[in-house]
Amino acid sequence: GAVVSQHPSRVICKSGTSVKIECRSLDFQATTMFWYRQFPKQSLMLMATSNEGSKATYEQGVEKDKFLINHASLTLSTLTVTSAHPEDSSFYICSAHRADQPQHFGDGTRLSIL
Amino acid sequence: QKEVEQNSGPLSVPEGAIASLNCTYSDRGSQSFFWYRQYSGKSPELIMSIYSNGDKEDGRFTAQLNKASQYVSLLIRDSQPSDSATYLCVLDRGKLQFGAGTQVVVTP
Repeated sequence: GAVVSQHPSRVICKSGTSVKIECRSLDFQATTMFWYRQFPKQSLMLMATSNEGSKATYEQGVEKDKFLINHASLTLSTLTVTSAHPEDSSFYICSAHRADQPQHFGDGTRLSIL
Repeated sequence: QKEVEQNSGPLSVPEGAIASLNCTYSDRGSQSFFWYRQYSGKSPELIMSIYSNGDKEDGRFTAQLNKASQYVSLLIRDSQPSDSATYLCVLDRGKLQFGAGTQVVVTP
């Protein structure tokens, strides 16, 4: 069964809306969670690294005020896309990581902004 | 030079044949290597992990690592149509470094 749960799986909303995506590790405490974005026919691009209890580390070019990350516990991280626009439409994927183990990915959230 | 290089394919493989996927990387210090499978519209799922030189077998999959040549490969034996997907070669350097992926198409 899935070890990382991501919700919702699909979101369609109007431009200007803020969208929250949840990522939960189900059977282990994840010291770190990662957020990725994937555009069609491209590979995953890391957006940010989320550590429980501390501020997320964003990759170059990713706006931290637009993509708000909260990692409230060792099993939950959330990504909020604020004031989403059509160019933010993408496939967002989280992963959970614990030391010396491969990353496990959530099922992804397909975000469509109209 | 990209940090992780893969042939994008598509790699067309007859059902029952062996699919051979190759990957080269630039960072000699890399220690952890993974193959993920990604179906269209889905997130990646872990197929194999390999950390030391040599072969590692898991069912129909065999991963091979040669750190001296900076080369990782994946063999899929007895390929099935359900193996049709994009296979991602991935290195873990604290952050995952992804290859562009090789699309595999298994034809009945």
